[in-house]
Amino acid sequence: DAGVTQSPTHLIKTRGQHVTLRCSPISGHKSVSWYQQVLGQGPQFIFQYYEKEERGRGNFPDRFSARQFPNYSSELNVNALLLGDSALYLCASMTGGTKNIQYFGAGTRLSVL
Amino acid sequence: GQQVMQIPQYQHVQEGEDFTTYCNSSTTLSNIQWYKQRPGGHPVFLIQLVKSGEVKKQKRLTFQFGEAKKNSSLHITATQTTDVGTYFCAGIAGTALIFGKGTTLSVSS
Repeated sequence: DAGVTQSPTHLIKTRGQHVTLRCSPISGHKSVSWYQQVLGQGPQFIFQYYEKEERGRGNFPDRFSARQFPNYSSELNVNALLLGDSALYLCASMTGGTKNIQYFGAGTRLSVL
Repeated sequence: GQQVMQIPQYQHVQEGEDFTTYCNSSTTLSNIQWYKQRPGGHPVFLIQLVKSGEVKKQKRLTFQFGEAKKNSSLHITATQTTDVGTYFCAGIAGTALIFGKGTTLSVSS
């Protein structure tokens, strides 16, 4: 079975632009979470979606938004990019049960110039 | 908000030496998870501890959850070069996992 897939793998944008990152969860997983990982830090929670509903939101500005589709794939959108948005963006899927074990994708490396 | 702290930030060992990383939470945790991230890779789930005082072993790795459920440790016996990477602990806060900053382990042969 395929793991969590994310696209694109790398992305270069300039300040003020908009970006869309995509994630497909493991087959059968209904929950998707997004994390931002800045170099040298642990992943920081951005959003969690379950069955297309937002279940949690981290401490990120409104420039960050996300959605989940009927097939459980998800998009993370970031508007008005800032230099500080440069990071590895990780998507994780879970079964949606009680264990909360996150299965991470390889991530999208975003560079904002 | 909940904070998870890890020490040390970096650890270098000679192959065959032991290694321990410690994790402390500002609040009581319902459970704690450990992940490993290889250089250039993504976090990979290692284990989840749920019970107070729980100890779990995976080959050379030993995980402990404190009695008060506010701290945890990961001990690696006789490190190998394949153990290189960053080890993160994470606690659950609502629907989010709160990660520590991690301990980066380097091993020289």
